[in-house]
Amino acid sequence: AQRVTQPEKLLSVFKGAPVELKCNYSYSGSPELFWYVQYSRQRLQLLLRHISRESIKGFTADLNKGETSFHLKKPFAQEEDSAMYYCALSGLGGKLIFGQGTELSVKP
Amino acid sequence: GAVVSQHPSWVICKSGTSVKIECRSLDFQATTMFWYRQFPKQSLMLMATSNEGSKATYEQGVEKDKFLINHASLTLSTLTVTSAHPEDSSFYICSASRHQANYGYTFGSGTRLTVV
Repeated sequence: AQRVTQPEKLLSVFKGAPVELKCNYSYSGSPELFWYVQYSRQRLQLLLRHISRESIKGFTADLNKGETSFHLKKPFAQEEDSAMYYCALSGLGGKLIFGQGTELSVKP
Repeated sequence: GAVVSQHPSWVICKSGTSVKIECRSLDFQATTMFWYRQFPKQSLMLMATSNEGSKATYEQGVEKDKFLINHASLTLSTLTVTSAHPEDSSFYICSASRHQANYGYTFGSGTRLTVV
């Protein structure tokens, strides 16, 4: 079965601190993994996907197949990073399944 | 970039009536459309997947007779909530993808449905 788990509902850090939003997945095939961000009152936006190996807004994520994880990291959090972050997996039939989401709050 | 337009952004309807939500891909052909439901402070739950010209595939637990999905063209998909009840009140989001081009998924802005 396809499953995405984000264990933290809320993550609160101070500006300038490192951030790691955890994501674990369950999928029998070769998954395609994404991180989406939803700022207040805005639509979901793609932050990054594992196949592109990009760094967007300072965020990076590495796919670890051994640990079935795709944690999102940023070395120095900014206040404007405060948002909901969703990890998602595209697998069978192209269906995009989301994790429960983590609310990141960056305090000044 | 790819844009998906979703209308209406919010709607209030009476119990027992039907509501139609539209999702249009403005500058690309969406071979597959996905419909999600999002409860407050919760994640997006996939309701159904539709491919242009064929019947939608519904996720377990989603009533296909209640949530009618039509994907008649490569740029338009609609979700009709039939005989709406207050428990159908939610935020509905569509997403379009073009797997052949591997452009990923583009999301609509969502529709807030309130059934009174």
